[in-house]
Amino acid sequence: GAVVSQHPSRVICKSGTSVKIECRSLDFQATTMFWYRQFPKKSLMLMATSNEGSKATYEQGVEKDKFLINHASLTLSTLTVTSAHPEDSSFYICSAQKVAGAVETQYFGPGTRLLVL
Amino acid sequence: SQQGEEDPQALSIQEGENATMNCSYKTSINNLQWYRQNSGRGLVHLILIRSNEREKHSGRLRVTLDTSKKSSSLLITASRAADTASYFCATDSGAGSYQLTFGKGTKLSVIP
Repeated sequence: GAVVSQHPSRVICKSGTSVKIECRSLDFQATTMFWYRQFPKKSLMLMATSNEGSKATYEQGVEKDKFLINHASLTLSTLTVTSAHPEDSSFYICSAQKVAGAVETQYFGPGTRLLVL
Repeated sequence: SQQGEEDPQALSIQEGENATMNCSYKTSINNLQWYRQNSGRGLVHLILIRSNEREKHSGRLRVTLDTSKKSSSLLITASRAADTASYFCATDSGAGSYQLTFGKGTKLSVIP
């Protein structure tokens, strides 16, 4: 149990287009989902915290109009990179926090590799 | 915000040897967790240690926590080639927040 999926796993797009990444908790409900970004050989940087039914909370320096987050249900959050540029190329990872679970019941997706040409 | 700092940044050992990785953090924590990441893949949770614990074991893993020094160590005993991966520590501050702050990671290479 406790599986988090991300789709797509890999995407290549042209500069200026928008890309949507889905994060789903497959066998549990998640009150909160987190979106991270990871550059090659670097650590995970928290981008935003997404709570079901409310607006996401963005970390300092993360443009909310650039990275649109929608958390429409307890099992799905989406991250849309709008008007993507080459510098947005990165590995995006989501995690889902189990409803009423302890901190260790936060499960990570396999990541989405975005390449913007 | 980035908090944890792992050292070494990279570690190369022979199969069968023990690997020790350290993590330091700056602010008070509620829990500290260690994760593993294979190249280009997602994170795998390894072990959690709470702020009131000093040591924890799980299989070949041993984690220590020294809150006075704001540091933790992860020891992998009898390493295997399959342990080759990047290892990250992550802290949370509690107070109802599940936000994790990750360290920079240690890239471990186990040579067969």
